[in-house]
Amino acid sequence: ETGVTQSPTHLIKTRGQQVTLRCSSQSGHNTVSWYQQALGQGPQFIFQYYREEENGRGNFPPRFSGLQFPNYSSELNVNALELDDSALYLCASSPKGPSYNEQFFGPGTRLTVL
Amino acid sequence: GESVGLHLPTLSVQEGDNSIINCAYSNSASDYFIWYKQESGKGPQFIIDIRSNMDKRQGQRVTVLLNKTVKHLSLQIAATQPGDSAVYFCAENISGNQFYFGTGTSLTVIP
Repeated sequence: ETGVTQSPTHLIKTRGQQVTLRCSSQSGHNTVSWYQQALGQGPQFIFQYYREEENGRGNFPPRFSGLQFPNYSSELNVNALELDDSALYLCASSPKGPSYNEQFFGPGTRLTVL
Repeated sequence: GESVGLHLPTLSVQEGDNSIINCAYSNSASDYFIWYKQESGKGPQFIIDIRSNMDKRQGQRVTVLLNKTVKHLSLQIAATQPGDSAVYFCAENISGNQFYFGTGTSLTVIP
């Protein structure tokens, strides 16, 4: 059973650009959540995807959007990047739907916005 | 959303001693809590969870205590080892699909 994987591991962008981050959920896991973790802070919930639809969203603007594919993998897209978007972006998958279950986190993508 | 906070941002303990990491939560409606461990360069790793109908749960070398009266959680690590050095987060679940994380406590184990 493979774990949660994310790509790329590191990324540097400039203000105003757009970025797409990718997540492959653990085998058999149908729910994917995305988190933003600023340096020295705890992860902040962005949104969750279940059955290819958004199923809950945290306090993030619409320029943060996502997708989930039939194989349960997911993308996080951020438009019009701002300096404060620099953070570690984590995805987490869980196997039993969007209820409170154990989540398995990937290693994250470190995004730097210059 | 409601906030989850930790009393101590850093904690240093001698190898072999017990560690206690504390967490305060503010939403009395929260009914499920998880402790995570995050090592440098890695995503958070599930340690132990507890539901609000319990006040104590034990795992391997770890115990979580929940005091709903004062909205307080603690994580106790027995016989702390160097491999326990990491940042520890408590996370509360308010709705079925959202977890709110605290700032974290950095635990350093001194050999």
